[in-house]
Amino acid sequence: NAGVTQTPKFQVLKTGQSMTLQCAQDMNHNSMYWYRQDPGMGLRLIYYSASEGTTDKGEVPNGYNVSRLNKREFSLRLESAAPSQTSVYFCASLQFGLTGELFFGEGSRLTVL
Amino acid sequence: QKEVEQNSGPLSVPEGAIASLNCTYSDRGSQSFFWYRQYSGKSPELIMSIYSNGDKEDGRFTAQLNKASQYVSLLIRDSQPSDSATYLCAVNIPYGNNRLAFGKGNQVVVIP
Repeated sequence: NAGVTQTPKFQVLKTGQSMTLQCAQDMNHNSMYWYRQDPGMGLRLIYYSASEGTTDKGEVPNGYNVSRLNKREFSLRLESAAPSQTSVYFCASLQFGLTGELFFGEGSRLTVL
Repeated sequence: QKEVEQNSGPLSVPEGAIASLNCTYSDRGSQSFFWYRQYSGKSPELIMSIYSNGDKEDGRFTAQLNKASQYVSLLIRDSQPSDSATYLCAVNIPYGNNRLAFGKGNQVVVIP
């Protein structure tokens, strides 16, 4: 029972490089989310997708793009990485509404030099 | 004003004592409230959800909600070393699509 799977778990980039974080869930959930977590800042929402075919900006969308490829997959792309994007990134999914549990992936630790 | 605020610094409690965590939120339309626990280097996991004013108990955990004062609290009774973690308060944002806002988190250290 995989739940929410994120890849890669660790990545080091140089400033200006691009990369895509992949996220897949096998729980048939409608909504998916990308958060970043920095020390002392808690979890901040980057982008979310309430359902297949829709995406919306969260609190800190600048420098990121997303794609809801299908119901299972939601990817996060950094087009030109900056040191300020060094963080731990979490993907999460939810069945529907907000009366249920948000399931998180294991996280992806990204360092931009 | 931040959507969800957890202002207390790290909390150290002796084993067996009660740990008390507080959280305030800004939007009066919020209806769903959650506490997540996050161990160091791990992802957050849900430990409590509450939707109505009052108390909700689950084992050693009690969540308290006061919508009039816009605060949510979490009590951990008989604290154990395994409770040492960061606790994140999360609140639904009622406008737009399904979105949760998180507080910064409170670190709890249970001293044996």
